[in-house]
Amino acid sequence: EVQLLESGGGLVHPGGSLRLSCAASGFTFSTYAMSWVRQAPGKGLEWVSSIGGSGGSTYYADSVKGRFTISRDNSKNTLFLQMNSPRAEDTAVYYCARNDYGDFRWGQGTLVTVPS
Amino acid sequence: QTVVTQEPSFSVSPGGTVTLTCGLSSGSVSTSYYPSWNQQTPGQAPRTLIYSTNSRSSGVPDRFSGSILGNKAALTITGAQAEDESDYYCALYMGRGIWVFGGGTKLTVL
Repeated sequence: EVQLLESGGGLVHPGGSLRLSCAASGFTFSTYAMSWVRQAPGKGLEWVSSIGGSGGSTYYADSVKGRFTISRDNSKNTLFLQMNSPRAEDTAVYYCARNDYGDFRWGQGTLVTVPS
Repeated sequence: QTVVTQEPSFSVSPGGTVTLTCGLSSGSVSTSYYPSWNQQTPGQAPRTLIYSTNSRSSGVPDRFSGSILGNKAALTITGAQAEDESDYYCALYMGRGIWVFGGGTKLTVL
């Protein structure tokens, strides 16, 4: 069974930094692209970033490009999202998802709060 | 900037059939966009129902189906049940690793 467990969320002040982690199990981690998707309070889903299975290809939404960095450690079956210089508008639940051409397998999410 | 469009809300009677759509602010949706349909109930993580236009994700009941209707992707629920009352989000692949989600459709079953 695919399991994804996010951690690392919390309160971070503007200009600070935070690193989210996602521990994966139940599948061969290195063979799947992975994504981060977020949801601001009361709002819809927003794709944030994706990374290829080997980690060699990374992609970002314009809203986070240059501030967030996605990475993975295939030896530890873990996905990361480094959030630098967060803004109030980055406040959201961040979901980790295995992404197989749109067949997303979702984690339960971790809440990140950036006060204004 | 490309916007993915969805109906803000829809209602269906129990046992009825409803079709939700997913379009583009400019252009037509095709299978090349790998349309994905995701269901979310309040307070829960999303769940993918349909991917790559019409493939059902593991464990998804066959009352959910996907297709291309005209210039949009479509999600059809045949024989709607009370538990189908949820928010539905489509996602489209824009190429170069980029996905875009629609604003979501709030489905009421009554």
